[in-house]
Amino acid sequence: DAKTTQPNSMESNEEEPVHLPCNHSTISGTDYIHWYRQLPSQGPEYVIHGLTSNVNNRMASLAIAEDRKSSTLILHRATLRDAAVYYCILSRQAGTALIFGKGTTLSVSS
Amino acid sequence: GAGVSQTPSNKVTEKGKYVELRCDPISGHTALYWYRQSLGQGPEFLIYFQGTGAADDSGLPNDRFFAVRPEGSVSTLKIQRTERGDSAVYLCASSLAPPGMNTEAFFGQGTRLTVV
Repeated sequence: DAKTTQPNSMESNEEEPVHLPCNHSTISGTDYIHWYRQLPSQGPEYVIHGLTSNVNNRMASLAIAEDRKSSTLILHRATLRDAAVYYCILSRQAGTALIFGKGTTLSVSS
Repeated sequence: GAGVSQTPSNKVTEKGKYVELRCDPISGHTALYWYRQSLGQGPEFLIYFQGTGAADDSGLPNDRFFAVRPEGSVSTLKIQRTERGDSAVYLCASSLAPPGMNTEAFFGQGTRLTVV
């Protein structure tokens, strides 16, 4: 299975941008890059996903390297509510469920 | 309903007992997934249904675990002869289309199972 590597933890201050990195050097041409996050005591929630081009939505932006071996989830202005575990996941092929790693625990300070 | 609903939210059972955990997916979602999550770990995949059939049950840890989705909507995860190591949060998710690639999955709040 395609593997992703994320830092165990990161810290940010409120109102500042946050860049969460993910390495996926074994990504194949058809793998989508998904990001989910999990707030304390809740189920994971979808954040964003992309294939090759950078993506923006109301929650975040996803910057994908040109060689696709890494990506960065960007939270433009962190809030206390963004403190969560962020998971970067590759979807290998249609019909295969998302496989989660340990993710990055983001702490946000006021 | 607006989202994926799981019941009960908490379940305490004695070692050796049988438990059932229920998941109501978002209406119209054909794909349904079960995961379990231990403290400090990411969700661990258990089984995925496409419609009524289990398309991938490779994550079920042993034959004490079984899941059904008889009408292609509600699903029940069944655990026989529970062990203390089964204690975890069991998460259910659903998606409109088959998983992977260009699909967003929606998760429920989970059922916290404690085996004493």
